[in-house]
Amino acid sequence: EAGVAQSPRYKIIEKRQSVAFWCNPISGHATLYWYQQILGQGPKLLIQFQNNGVVDDSQLPKDRFSAERLKGVDSTLKIQPAKLEDSAVYLCASSLFNSQGASGNTIYFGEGSWLTVV
Amino acid sequence: GENVEQHPSTLSVQEGDSAVIKCTYSDSASNYFPWYKQELGKGPQLIIDIRSNVGEKKDQRIAVTLNKTAKHFSLHITETQPEDSAVYFCAAKVPLGRGQNFVFGPGTRLSVLP
Repeated sequence: EAGVAQSPRYKIIEKRQSVAFWCNPISGHATLYWYQQILGQGPKLLIQFQNNGVVDDSQLPKDRFSAERLKGVDSTLKIQPAKLEDSAVYLCASSLFNSQGASGNTIYFGEGSWLTVV
Repeated sequence: GENVEQHPSTLSVQEGDSAVIKCTYSDSASNYFPWYKQELGKGPQLIIDIRSNVGEKKDQRIAVTLNKTAKHFSLHITETQPEDSAVYFCAAKVPLGRGQNFVFGPGTRLSVLP
């Protein structure tokens, strides 16, 4: 079974530029997450989708970050304009629905997209 | 919302010794507690998990214990090997509708010395 795919793996941009990350979840996984992981810290949730709808985006800096999952499968996360403090690993994860119709317990992470803003 | 603390932040053990990492959580509604291992340059990989209705779970050299009353859970690794060296994260899952779905601790860097 293929895992969560992310691209690009590495990106270096100047501040105020824009960047986009792509994620393809595990086939059949209805729930998709974007996490931000700053060096030396645990992952922090940015946004959670269930199919093509947003479940939680309360910690997404909406003035500069946006995300979409138009067809309920792959997703893109965009940062515009980037700031120095956006340097981090952006992790995409996915999970199944369980029998109760809620997101499954086990979430599977991709390898991450490493962003450096200079 | 949920807050997860994790200790220690770094841990060094001799090969063959045991390692213990402890986490505490704040939201009594949290009902699922996974542990992830993250190697350099890779995404976190699930290694073991425990549900809130279970007190202990073991998988070969790895075990997790949960104390719901005290709101803490621990990862135990026995007979450590150099390949166990990595950053370990605990997490707590808050049911949907209560804010964040999974909240992660800050991580523990485990070094197993040969």
